[in-house]
Amino acid sequence: DTGVSQNPRHKITKRGQNVTFRCDPISEHNRLYWYRQTLGQGPEFLTYFQNEAQLEKSRLLSDRFSAERPKGSFSTLEIQRTEQGDSAMYLCASSLSTSSYEQYFGPGTRLTVT
Amino acid sequence: KQEVTQIPAALSVPEGENLVLNCSFTDSAIYNLQWFRQDPGKGLTSLLLIQSSQREQTSGRLNASLDKSSGRSTLYIAASQPGDSATYLCAVVSSNTGKLIFGQGTTLQVKP
Repeated sequence: DTGVSQNPRHKITKRGQNVTFRCDPISEHNRLYWYRQTLGQGPEFLTYFQNEAQLEKSRLLSDRFSAERPKGSFSTLEIQRTEQGDSAMYLCASSLSTSSYEQYFGPGTRLTVT
Repeated sequence: KQEVTQIPAALSVPEGENLVLNCSFTDSAIYNLQWFRQDPGKGLTSLLLIQSSQREQTSGRLNASLDKSSGRSTLYIAASQPGDSATYLCAVVSSNTGKLIFGQGTTLQVKP
């Protein structure tokens, strides 16, 4: 068990470009969450998957954002036509479908849009 | 709508002091409350999870309490050390999706 991994760890892109992040959850975890954290703030929920089904999306997830979890394992988060306001840390977490709801976080992907 | 608030936003203490971090939430209908630690530029490390039916949890020098009826939790750190310097975040689960609602965090500095 290597924990939750995220790639890349850092991404610098120019405004208007598309970016894609990957999250590999803990292998037996069927729930996967994406959060966004800006400087000095707590993380904010973006979206949630149970297996391959995307069951909830935040209003923060504009139509430029799309997330997938095609085989119920890894997940990708794509941002199209990036804006400077998208600069943030993008965090992925996973958990089992148990009543504890305990989540385990990855190291995050730091996005800088110039 | 659930809202989570942490006070103070920042705290500086000398090494060896015992300290308390506060977390409050507006809706007492929660499944659990988690405390996390975050080092600069890093992800979140889970410290303690308190189920809604529990009153407290302990791990080493850390003790977290939960009072659902008043919408409050505290994280007590005993005999603080410089290595405890980090941002501490509390978060609650209020729905069966398990999504976390976070506070803004308390940034702790422990001076040698």
